[in-house]
Amino acid sequence: TQLLEQSPQFLSIQEGENLTVYCNSSSVFSSLQWYRQEPGEGPVLLVTVVTGGEVKKLKRLTFQFGDARKDSSLHITAAQPGDTGLYLCAGAIRSGTPDKLIFGTGTRLQVFP
Amino acid sequence: ETGVTQTPRHLVMGMTNKKSLKCEQHLGHNAMYWYKQSAKKPLELMFVYNFKEQTENNSVPSRFSPECPNSSHLFLHLHTLQPEDSALYLCASSQAIAGLLGETQYFGPGTRLLVL
Repeated sequence: TQLLEQSPQFLSIQEGENLTVYCNSSSVFSSLQWYRQEPGEGPVLLVTVVTGGEVKKLKRLTFQFGDARKDSSLHITAAQPGDTGLYLCAGAIRSGTPDKLIFGTGTRLQVFP
Repeated sequence: ETGVTQTPRHLVMGMTNKKSLKCEQHLGHNAMYWYKQSAKKPLELMFVYNFKEQTENNSVPSRFSPECPNSSHLFLHLHTLQPEDSALYLCASSQAIAGLLGETQYFGPGTRLLVL
């Protein structure tokens, strides 16, 4: 069974702090996506990383795809209350057409003002 | 705005009831998906439709029956559900489905289902 473990599961921090969320698996992914889900809403795609070692920046968010394409991290600089939400990673596995998209266990982030 | 709407947003049903969830996308996409999101479990893909044809059934029990009359609408018919089926049911759509490389899925807000 393919599994994407995210850590930490929960994170409560003060506004202005930095944080890193990790997404790990023993499977190799053709691509990996990060989503944020706010209460009462569906997940919204933040980024897709495709190449091993790739780093993408989205304002205060930095996403990295591991060299072996088995893991990824999301780093947030100077967190703000608006960053509060459930962060999900999702890896695409080549398994016929379409690729299978496996979602991670999620990291629930709360940023206090 | 995601362009994917779901109704109802909340649903309470008994185990003997029959109900349907509706999803509509206004994005001109060709692929639509049903996901189940339970507490403490990863998001689970249930069904995939591409150009109205079902391309994936992820070992979902037959008490869940999908229907895709056209590329813009997707239904999930529910009957004789169990309490453990209580969850958030999310619909999503994407432009294409030939591999997910770089493909963006747009999610609806979900239907929160409680089975008593």
